[in-house]
Formats: sequence, structure tokens, C-alpha cells
Amino acid sequence: AQSVTQLGSHVSVSEGALVLLRCNYSSSVPPYLFWYVQYPNQGLQLLLKYTTGATLVKGINGFEAEFKKSDTSFHLTKPSAHMSDAAEYFCAVSDDYKLSFGAGTTVTVRA
Amino acid sequence: GAVVSQHPSWVICKSGTSVKIECRSLDFQATTMFWYRQFPKQSLMLMATSNEGSKATYEQGVEKDKFLINHASLTLSTLTVTSAHPEDSSFYICSAREAGQRTHGYTFGSGTRLTVV
Repeated sequence: AQSVTQLGSHVSVSEGALVLLRCNYSSSVPPYLFWYVQYPNQGLQLLLKYTTGATLVKGINGFEAEFKKSDTSFHLTKPSAHMSDAAEYFCAVSDDYKLSFGAGTTVTVRA
Repeated sequence: GAVVSQHPSWVICKSGTSVKIECRSLDFQATTMFWYRQFPKQSLMLMATSNEGSKATYEQGVEKDKFLINHASLTLSTLTVTSAHPEDSSFYICSAREAGQRTHGYTFGSGTRLTVV
């Protein structure tokens, strides 16, 4: 069985401030982990993914995430928020068959 | 990169009619396609998984006779909402996994907003 918990359903940051979105996973097998972004009335766009190898993963739009097996986390960060980062973010885990999504975190960016 | 085209983007239909949503992989072969439903301000709920040439596998609680899924080719899957009712109004999203890519290759369509009146 696999599952994802996203801590915080809503995060508000100032433009230029650090963005930190928290994700913890549970998986009975070595996990594949993903972060997706969704803009209103659109599908999901892949930000980054971890499969194997380097635990610090860099993605698009300046985002990165670190896989930490010790505390089963895969938190997403971006050093400096931009207004265009306002969106819904989903963490997901895969058991090599299907994706299981977290509940999502809404990010708002204050000017 | 891999692209999945989903049509229509939005559709309004009358209660009791059927609606078909198409999901196409444009530049790759998708052995597996997934259909999700998303309610406002909520996460994606997996409805069913379809493998090319075989019957779809539905998640618990999803009515297979209401949500008909066909995956007749490696580039096309369709979801038909039969005898639609207002409670079927939702955002539907498909995802395709590229053959041989295992978990590396999930690509999502842009979604379909269904409104049943």
C-alpha cells in the first residue's frame, strides 16, 4: 500500500520569499515520488520526480525537492516565489503501477 | 516531450444524455491510461485504469456501467459518461503512461469540465 500526506492545505508567501511545501509518503516498496502543479481548469504538469540516484532533485521553474528516506519525506522548495507560482501543488507516490496523490496544497503569493 | 491531448475541454449536456471524452497520446504509445475525477478544491480520485486491448479495471465505488472506458488502440482511450446526471458534473482528467517507461512516464491531459444540467 502507498499513500501521501501533504502538510498544510494552504500556504501563503510573499513574492521573493521561500516556498516550502511538505510531503510525507508511505510505501511498501522503494518509492517513486513526484510533484505536480495544477493551474485552474487545467491538467497536471510535472515539476520534478525522484526515482533512484541523487536524492536532491531539481525541476522546472526553479523548484527542487529532497528525498529523505530516514523521515519518509519529499518536501518541495523554491528559494524565491514568483506571482506565477500561485497554483495547486500535488505530491504523488507510485508503486510502479499507479499514482496516489496527496490532498494538495494551494499556494498564494502576496505582492 | 510526451503530449496527451484531451477533448473536449469543457462540455455541457442535458441530464439523461451521454458524453464521450477522448484522450490521445500524440507522440508516444500508451499501453496504460488512467482516468481521474476531481471535485472542486480536492485531489484527483482515480476512477479506472485501462490497458490497450483489455477491459478497464475500476476502482472501488466507481460504476463501470456508468463510466464506460475503451482503450482500443495504443494512442486513444475514451471515457463515456452514460445517462449523465447533475451529480456527475466534475473535472475529468486522463493520464497516459508510455510503453516501457514504467513509472517515469505519466503524462496528463488538460482535463474536461463536464456540467450536466
